[in-house]
Amino acid sequence: KQEVTQIPAALSVPEGENLVLNCSFTDSAIYNLQWFRQDPGKGLTSLLLIQSSQREQTSGRLNASLDKSSGRSTLYIAASQPGDSATYLCAVRFLAGGTSYGKLTFGQGTILTVHP
Amino acid sequence: KAGVTQTPRYLIKTRGQQVTLSCSPISGHRSVSWYQQTPGQGLQFLFEYFSETQRNKGNFPGRFSGRQFSNSRSEMNVSTLELGDSALYLCASSLTSGYNEQFFGPGTRLTVL
Repeated sequence: KQEVTQIPAALSVPEGENLVLNCSFTDSAIYNLQWFRQDPGKGLTSLLLIQSSQREQTSGRLNASLDKSSGRSTLYIAASQPGDSATYLCAVRFLAGGTSYGKLTFGQGTILTVHP
Repeated sequence: KAGVTQTPRYLIKTRGQQVTLSCSPISGHRSVSWYQQTPGQGLQFLFEYFSETQRNKGNFPGRFSGRQFSNSRSEMNVSTLELGDSALYLCASSLTSGYNEQFFGPGTRLTVL
């Protein structure tokens, strides 16, 4: 079964700290992986998209890495700020099987709190 | 460029009723996917439409259905509502079907009483 797991489920850090969120997936046959941010009661904001042929992507203070062979991705947030507080979701597009077509499989998310 | 829009934003229904949710994708995007988000199950894929055709369907009962119009706007319908259908329903659009980056709308919060 194709599954995505995120660890930790929740994380609380002081402002200014660098942090890493983890995502693991059960099948290395993936097309791409997307990291999202979700504020309470809101929709998802796409942060970074990594294609299966890429090792990392960067956008501002965010850096996402991908290791397909080990089934892992990390989202690194530098110099965290209170405005970074949100739920971060990892989503994978698996290649295997027709039922995976066009479908994102999500992890349960990591709730991040950055306190001043 | 306008993002994905969903209407209505909030809905309250009672068990047994039916409901229709609407999604307008980003201009130029032709694929629309629907997801259900609940505290217990997280985000789960409902279905994807491209060129007015359903391309893929998640593991949901037949009470959940959808369609897409020629202008790429999509609707999803849930018939005979159950308490467990209370959720945030999210729509995502992408340029084409398959593996493109998806952009999400703000969602429709459905409460079933």
